[in-house]
Amino acid sequence: SSDVTQDPAVSVALGQTVRITCQGDSLRNYWASWYQQRPGQAPRLVIYGKNNRPSGIPDRFSGSSSGNTASLTITGAQAEDEADYYCHSRYSSGDLQVFGGGTKLTVL
Amino acid sequence: EVQLVQSGPEVKKPGESLRISCKGSGYRFTSYWISWVRQRPGKGLEWMGKIDPSDSSTNYSPSFQGHVTISADKSTSTAYLQWSRLRASDTAIYYCATPLFTTVPNPRDYWGQGTLVIVSS
Repeated sequence: SSDVTQDPAVSVALGQTVRITCQGDSLRNYWASWYQQRPGQAPRLVIYGKNNRPSGIPDRFSGSSSGNTASLTITGAQAEDEADYYCHSRYSSGDLQVFGGGTKLTVL
Repeated sequence: EVQLVQSGPEVKKPGESLRISCKGSGYRFTSYWISWVRQRPGKGLEWMGKIDPSDSSTNYSPSFQGHVTISADKSTSTAYLQWSRLRASDTAIYYCATPLFTTVPNPRDYWGQGTLVIVSS
């Protein structure tokens, strides 16, 4: 199956740790990427590959994977981390791609 | 500087045709495929398909196959997303994006600014 599923919403207290998860069969074969999207902005890549951050992404963002589940962890969440987060994966021999439904992160 | 610059907003009627564009600059356009991503109002990201500008080969999400056409003109470094008959449900922001640029000191991908398409009678 090509579907990857995410919890619709997650909240975290300021400075605490939050994990956002993504599940799907394709994640057994392909690393997930994670995108952050703030209102009115284009998505921004925050994690790719096993656990890699593009330049400029704070090291409080990290990624992990086990079986059919990928996770994005924010250690010490900040107010500016409040956004929608999308996992992204490939499937069908890598030719096709899919986004999860997105998780709205609220920082309390 | 790598940039993807998309065409401006569009307001169309159901049944009309439309082509929007995404112009790449600052890199070798034929070295990286271009994806198109839809985002309906208040909704999530949906991957539509991609094109390899070097040979114009395409892959489409099953959800979009047959309803849109992705093309590219490598002479102008421009990718296109086209509809022959728009529907109201096509109202969305459409983004073009590159894959991860891995052969650079700081790997990253690039996104266009988005094109708003409104389809309404």
